[in-house]
Amino acid sequence: QQQVKQSPQSLIVQKGGISIINCAYENTAFDYFPWYQQFPGKGPALLIAIRPDVSEKKEGRFTISFNKSAKQFSLHIMDSQPGDSATYFCAAAWNTDKLIFGTGTRLQVFP
Amino acid sequence: SQTIHQWPATLVQPVGSPLSLECTVEGTSNPNLYWYRQAAGRGLQLLFYSIGIDQISSEVPQNLSASRPQDRQFILSSKKLLLSDSGFYLCAWSFRTDTQYFGPGTRLTVL
Repeated sequence: QQQVKQSPQSLIVQKGGISIINCAYENTAFDYFPWYQQFPGKGPALLIAIRPDVSEKKEGRFTISFNKSAKQFSLHIMDSQPGDSATYFCAAAWNTDKLIFGTGTRLQVFP
Repeated sequence: SQTIHQWPATLVQPVGSPLSLECTVEGTSNPNLYWYRQAAGRGLQLLFYSIGIDQISSEVPQNLSASRPQDRQFILSSKKLLLSDSGFYLCAWSFRTDTQYFGPGTRLTVL
């Protein structure tokens, strides 16, 4: 019940396309859902986050869609660029000091 | 603004040797501190987290230990390294929120 399941494991998208990464969870007590972006050899950096009181949050080309009833949330990257090539992690937390991370998605955007 | 430092950036150690990785945070007081390990191409495994000086929780039993001798200093240690200890070690901090901020990481290779 503590798990966050992330898919796909890897994703190849053409420049200008839409990248979609999905995560699912079981624990209905989760109330914070961030996405992290990690470039090779670097630490993960917070990209965007959402709380379950809204169904969507958009920041530039990055959008989180949240479906509380399905216990799923996803990251959409519009107009994907080669510079977006990185590993993306979803995570979840609830009133604690710990984040539960997904297993990561390696995104490659080709020109 | 807050910054997080880790050193060394890279380390190559023989099996059976000791280990000491250091993490310091600037610009905040009494942060929560975390140690993660990331194996090549894998997700983030939480090793230890600390909510205060000498308050450390271990998530995974292993030959690693952590200490927090000062409010903003977090140290990861081992008395005898194993081959399986190789990986990318990440320190992170948070303060009164769910959001964690990661350091640049230490690449450890055990030969």
